[in-house]
Amino acid sequence: AQTVTQSQPEMSVQEAETVTLSCTYDTSESNYYLFWYKQPPSRQMILVIRQEAYKQQNATENRFSVNFQKAAKSFSLKISDSQLGDTAMYFCAFHLINFGNEKLTFGTGTRLTIIP
Amino acid sequence: EPEVTQTPSHQVTQMGQEVILRCVPISNHLYFYWYRQILGQKVEFLVSFYNNEISEKSEIFDDQFSVERPDGSNFTLKIRSTKLEDSAMYFCASLFAQGETQYFGPGTRLLVL
Repeated sequence: AQTVTQSQPEMSVQEAETVTLSCTYDTSESNYYLFWYKQPPSRQMILVIRQEAYKQQNATENRFSVNFQKAAKSFSLKISDSQLGDTAMYFCAFHLINFGNEKLTFGTGTRLTIIP
Repeated sequence: EPEVTQTPSHQVTQMGQEVILRCVPISNHLYFYWYRQILGQKVEFLVSFYNNEISEKSEIFDDQFSVERPDGSNFTLKIRSTKLEDSAMYFCASLFAQGETQYFGPGTRLLVL
């Protein structure tokens, strides 16, 4: 079975600073996708960024980037120039490439607070 | 931009009652999912649905749960006899094709009294 571990239950950082959220996962498979989802107080799940395991290049989306270390099974999220609107729960998630069923397995989340 | 919608946004029910949670996935998507999040906990997979049948279900998805796609647009989750521990946020998600991104609805907050 696949597992996702987020070892930082809570983090806080000053506005405009950079913060890195950690995620590790465990699988014996080689083809999979990794995601970071953001959940603001409204509790909606919003995709932040995704990474295909077969790609060596780390994904970036504006202020968000990942450090994907496949051998170490590590997938951290870096938020640059943090903004108040980044305050949310962040979930790391994973799914295998599996035709007909690509269920997501989530970590326990990191509560990020951006301090004005 | 197309989005997944869910109704109702909130539902309060008495223990033992049946509830139906409704989802309208993105129109050209083919794969559908239900997830559950108990307050303060992580999001957990319940069931996946493709080609009008269940692809996989988790241990949580017991005989009290069922899913249906009664027409070309709706995707429903039914809980036949609710328990207190069914209180949670229920998310619907849809996916166009293998390798694409799952898009989540805004969730239905279910409270069982």
